[in-house]
Amino acid sequence: GENVEQHPSTLSVQEGDSAVIKCTYSDSASNYFPWYKQELGKRPQLIIDIRSNVGEKKDQRIAVTLNKTAKHFSLHITETQPEDSAVYFCAATPTGGFKTIFGAGTRLFVKA
Amino acid sequence: EAQVTQNPRYLITVTGKKLTVTCSQNMNHEYMSWYRQDPGLGLRQIYYSMNVEVTDKGDVPEGYKVSRKEKRNFPLILESPSPNQTSLYFCASSLSRQGAYEQYFGPGTRLTVT
Repeated sequence: GENVEQHPSTLSVQEGDSAVIKCTYSDSASNYFPWYKQELGKRPQLIIDIRSNVGEKKDQRIAVTLNKTAKHFSLHITETQPEDSAVYFCAATPTGGFKTIFGAGTRLFVKA
Repeated sequence: EAQVTQNPRYLITVTGKKLTVTCSQNMNHEYMSWYRQDPGLGLRQIYYSMNVEVTDKGDVPEGYKVSRKEKRNFPLILESPSPNQTSLYFCASSLSRQGAYEQYFGPGTRLTVT
């Protein structure tokens, strides 16, 4: 079946450094790729998303890149801050589809 | 305030005792979904609904039932809970009847089955 692999499972960076989280999906029909942030004890919330007709999207310190040929997409966080510490989930949804497949999550620690 | 609500937030029950977790949204969203979150496994979709009276299985539907009789409500039913259904459950809704749009999550329901 469809799956989304996410790496790394844990990432620790120094404040001010960049963080990169990578995901690979299996269903080539996927066309929507959201990223959710989940702070400790809270619900997941969308931070950025990208569709298959776009290769890159930026929103202040966060960016997402998509390589449809390789079926990879990545989240980039620059100038990390302690409040970026959270679990980040990538996901993929196929065209015209209704299922959402999430990655297993990456726990990001930003050390002050 | 636009929101997704779930009740109860915490539940401890025993094996075999039927339970229902309610989910309600006030955003007039077409799409609703249930997920379970387990350590190391991320969010796994249980069931989703594209519209009233239209539901379908996600990746882990075994042991669960849902219904969508009204647009705003999407309850999750465990007819005979078992310990392997101990988990954190999230309901979510989305504007489009397809899943390919932002999903708004409820606060979560932590279920323990002994």
